[in-house]
Amino acid sequence: EPEVTQTPSHQVTQMGQEVILRCVPISNHLYFYWYRQILGQKVEFLVSFYNNEISEKSEIFDDQFSVERPDGSNFTLKIRSTKLEDSAMYFCASSGDYAGYTFGSGTRLTVV
Amino acid sequence: AQSVTQLDSQVPVFEEAPVELRCNYSSSVSVYLFWYVQYPNQGLQLLLKYLSGSTLVESINGFEAEFNKSQTSFHLRKPSVHISDTAEYFCAVRSMQGGGSEKLVFGKGTKLTVNP
Repeated sequence: EPEVTQTPSHQVTQMGQEVILRCVPISNHLYFYWYRQILGQKVEFLVSFYNNEISEKSEIFDDQFSVERPDGSNFTLKIRSTKLEDSAMYFCASSGDYAGYTFGSGTRLTVV
Repeated sequence: AQSVTQLDSQVPVFEEAPVELRCNYSSSVSVYLFWYVQYPNQGLQLLLKYLSGSTLVESINGFEAEFNKSQTSFHLRKPSVHISDTAEYFCAVRSMQGGGSEKLVFGKGTKLTVNP
């Protein structure tokens, strides 16, 4: 069964550093998303991406965040200057239509 | 905008007992409904979904959920749980409008713990 692949599975970074989280969506999917889950809290939408541009972003997705699809397969989330409160599990997801989303296994980001 | 309420943050049950995890939603437009499961230290897996048609949907591992439009609910049930069902369960909705890029809105999750 096709999978969404995320790397790395766990990243530790110092406050103020830039991080890039990587995702390989399912190859024939057209819509891509990033969500995050702070420990013990609900899964929150960050951004959706379609046709090489952002479709929608949440209020969490401020100027410190950016997304890119640098080639035909990867989808990245960049956090320019990490803060302690950015520590969370970040999930990438992709979908082909309205019928459902496939999530990756997540990247646990720890900012120290 | 949509919102999802999962009334129970934790549900402990004994093995082989029935369980119901409650989910209510609020939306000004029609929605699609989903249940996702998250096993410890793993990602989100789609358990089942309601898109249209029969209001009762089933998963391959014995869970079922019923869409009740008048009560705006999509409760998840299983008649007999196993230890391996211990996980966190998330209810989610998305608007039927807006095409494929519509986001999912999640509830806060219910931690199901199945005890021997």
